[in-house]
Amino acid sequence: NAGVTQTPKFRVLKTGQSMTLLCAQDMNHEYMYWYRQDPGMGLRLIHYSVGEGTTAKGEVPDGYNVSRLKKQNFLLGLESAAPSQTSVYFCASSYHPPDRGGNEQFFGPGTRLTVL
Amino acid sequence: EDQVTQSPEALRLQEGESSSLNCSYTVSGLRGLFWYRQDPGKGPEFLFTLYSAGEEKEKERLKATLTKKESFLHITAPKPEDSATYLCALSGGYNKLIFGAGTRLAVHP
Repeated sequence: NAGVTQTPKFRVLKTGQSMTLLCAQDMNHEYMYWYRQDPGMGLRLIHYSVGEGTTAKGEVPDGYNVSRLKKQNFLLGLESAAPSQTSVYFCASSYHPPDRGGNEQFFGPGTRLTVL
Repeated sequence: EDQVTQSPEALRLQEGESSSLNCSYTVSGLRGLFWYRQDPGKGPEFLFTLYSAGEEKEKERLKATLTKKESFLHITAPKPEDSATYLCALSGGYNKLIFGAGTRLAVHP
């Protein structure tokens, strides 16, 4: 039982390049989330999914796209990377939404992205 | 607007020196108040969920409490292995958690 895994762990991009971050969970969770964490600002929600085939915008969605083609995977894409997207990205999953019991979110180890 | 503010930003304790971390919040309708622990270079790890004022939960040296305006994470007789960043988050509904910036705790022998 690996929990939540993220690939890659580190990445350096040049401005304008694109990339996809992969999140996988083996806990059969319905809900999946992508956050970014910046110094002094805490975790901010980028996009989330309430089930296979669904996605929704979070607090800071601009410049990112997501897809949830399979229940266990949640992909985060950057089409044209900008230096403002330099951050640590965390994926999380949960069985229930935050406002229901059993709503613990399990986090992956993170991806550290630098955009030059 | 739903908001979470944690204080202090950083806290240094001697081993065995008990203290408390604060999480102040404003929300139109609280659906849950969460505490997470985050070690350097790792993802946050769930500690507690509190749902209503007066509720308390304990785990080893940690105890979380909740009032209508704030939550406290009490650390009793801390050990160096308790050193981490502690994150507070609230759910006001709509499938979202709103996180505070965290308190960095350092416990020295």
